[in-house]
Amino acid sequence: GENVEQHPSTLSVQEGDSAVIKCTYSDSASNYFPWYKQELGKGPQLIIDIRSNVGEKKDQRIAVTLNKTAKHFSLHITETQPEDSAVYFCAASMSQAGTALIFGKGTTLSVSS
Amino acid sequence: DAGITQSPRYKITETGRQVTLMCHQTWSHSYMFWYRQDLGHGLRLIYYSAAADITDKGEVPDGYVVSRSKTENFPLTLESATRSQTSVYFCASGERPNYGYTFGSGTRLTVV
Repeated sequence: GENVEQHPSTLSVQEGDSAVIKCTYSDSASNYFPWYKQELGKGPQLIIDIRSNVGEKKDQRIAVTLNKTAKHFSLHITETQPEDSAVYFCAASMSQAGTALIFGKGTTLSVSS
Repeated sequence: DAGITQSPRYKITETGRQVTLMCHQTWSHSYMFWYRQDLGHGLRLIYYSAAADITDKGEVPDGYVVSRSKTENFPLTLESATRSQTSVYFCASGERPNYGYTFGSGTRLTVV
């Protein structure tokens, strides 16, 4: 089955700096790659996603890139703010019935002011 | 209110007892999922369902039972709770397996 590796497990940055979180996946049939943000005491919330027919996607300060050949994808956060502090999860899934999102182990991002 | 709700929010139970965690969604999403979250392990898939009366095992199904008699409900039952099942459990729903899921607020279960 699919396996998703996520790095780093913790990341500390200064406010205004950029943050990058990287994930690799094992199954070349995976074609959907979302990123979730989880704040303390809450459920994960979808923040951005990318499909295998797209190489990059941006939404204001966040962007995701996908390299299908290398089977890795990354989350980029620019101009970080204290409210970006949270746990971020990457995930991967396929389109056929009988599958579900498989998540990485998460990255705890701390943004200090 | 529209959304996905989990109950209870917190639960303490004893080893060997049966406990059921409830999940209800109002969107009529076909897919529903149960994940558990543990430090160092991230989110691990327990069971999922593609439609009413269709369920399938995920990564860590042992010790759990699910049912889905109605599209909107997807209860998770621990038949005989063990301390290793102490965790935060999240239910999620989505239109398709490769589409953004919406998660509930979670149930924190402690088995003593």
